[in-house]
Amino acid sequence: AQSVTQPDIHITVSEGASLELRCNYSYGATPYLFWYVQSPGQGLQLLLKYFSGDTLVQGIKGFEAEFKRSQSSFNLRKPSVHWSDAAEYFCAVGARGTGGYQKVTFGIGTKLQVIP
Amino acid sequence: GAVVSQHPSWVICKSGTSVKIECRSLDFQATTMFWYRQFPKQSLMLMATSNEGSKATYEQGVEKDKFLINHASLTLSTLTVTSAHPEDSSFYICSARGRGTPNQPQHFGDGTRLSIL
Repeated sequence: AQSVTQPDIHITVSEGASLELRCNYSYGATPYLFWYVQSPGQGLQLLLKYFSGDTLVQGIKGFEAEFKRSQSSFNLRKPSVHWSDAAEYFCAVGARGTGGYQKVTFGIGTKLQVIP
Repeated sequence: GAVVSQHPSWVICKSGTSVKIECRSLDFQATTMFWYRQFPKQSLMLMATSNEGSKATYEQGVEKDKFLINHASLTLSTLTVTSAHPEDSSFYICSARGRGTPNQPQHFGDGTRLSIL
């Protein structure tokens, strides 16, 4: 079974500073990897995904993530954080199956606080 | 982009009543829908996966007689919490994946906050 670890529960950064949110996964093969963002009381919005190919993926809102197989990591980065980026971020892994990915497992989430 | 609508957004009801939550795909046909439960300050826990026209597949530990899922059409799935009790209070989120798009991400609804008094 796959699993996801987000070691940082809460991160505070200054507006304009760079950001890196960590994500490590456990899965026996090349997984499907996702980053989602959730604002309070709302559902999840997909930031970016990795299925195959280029290991550096670009997403919406200026986010990017890099898949590193050797480290089983899929860290999320943004060069300059905006106050509107304050939210909860979830890393997720989907197991490969026939016809695409199957069950998706989410990490516990990292709450991002942005200070002026 | 693909839109998933969830209704209601928030419901408060008395213990012992049943509550129905709807999940609709507004601009695509959702062959697969997923129901999650999220406790405060925790991640999403998959409750069940439903494919249109067939019975839902429940995750281990989820009572299928407690959480009834119906996916009768390609645009609608419902979750009914039967005889709800305070411990069922939670944030419930649905997501949907379209026909012919097995490699596409799920599209999430905005969630339903359920409070049982």
